Amino acid sequence: DSGVTQTPKHLITATGQRVTLRCSPRSGDLSVYWYQQSLDQGLQFLIQYYNGEERAKGNILERFSAQQFPDLHSELNLSSLELGDSALYFCASSPTVRLDEQFFGPGTRLTVL
Amino acid sequence: GESVGLHLPTLSVQEGDNSIINCAYSNSASDYFIWYKQESGKGPQFIIDIRSNMDKRQGQRVTVLLNKTVKHLSLQIAATQPGDSAVYFCAENNAGNMLTFGGGTRLMVKP
Repeated sequence: DSGVTQTPKHLITATGQRVTLRCSPRSGDLSVYWYQQSLDQGLQFLIQYYNGEERAKGNILERFSAQQFPDLHSELNLSSLELGDSALYFCASSPTVRLDEQFFGPGTRLTVL
Repeated sequence: GESVGLHLPTLSVQEGDNSIINCAYSNSASDYFIWYKQESGKGPQFIIDIRSNMDKRQGQRVTVLLNKTVKHLSLQIAATQPGDSAVYFCAENNAGNMLTFGGGTRLMVKP
């Protein structure tokens, strides 16, 4: 158990819908990272937040957005969902803003029908 | 459990043998590298990391070797056990605060 929690574990929805994925980092960690893992793309970095501020951005679609709240939990919002958005979404956390060992949560499996 | 990467390269080893998993990275400016292990149905788990000012780093039963000349990273697992069966990913920080992951290698340990 990494100490990072993600909810929900599974999510099934329809095209065009909007969903919110939630992540609670390890106690004391200030950085939160979001990743997408699909069968054909592997693990793709989406975005990083540190202490409430966006710090780095990867291949995140404009339909996706994220935020980190004062209690340091983070949410990833996915809108206008398409079939190709079906994937595992992982959250990871680390203590500082510096790129360092990241602790991954168990992931949310999103299925878009 | 989840199936990660249906067409991953696979390394099959006998229990007790040593395993070597290789990774070619893309950016000669990358200065930080990590190996992760992902078991079916779970998130990636940190194994070992290395910074570019080192050529070798050892952990418990694992060794990472970095060859900057040919942009190559390897993970050696000593005395491979059935519990080592998983998908292994290397990652590099090729753009500041971003990790770029390789495609992964599936390690299968035969009893």
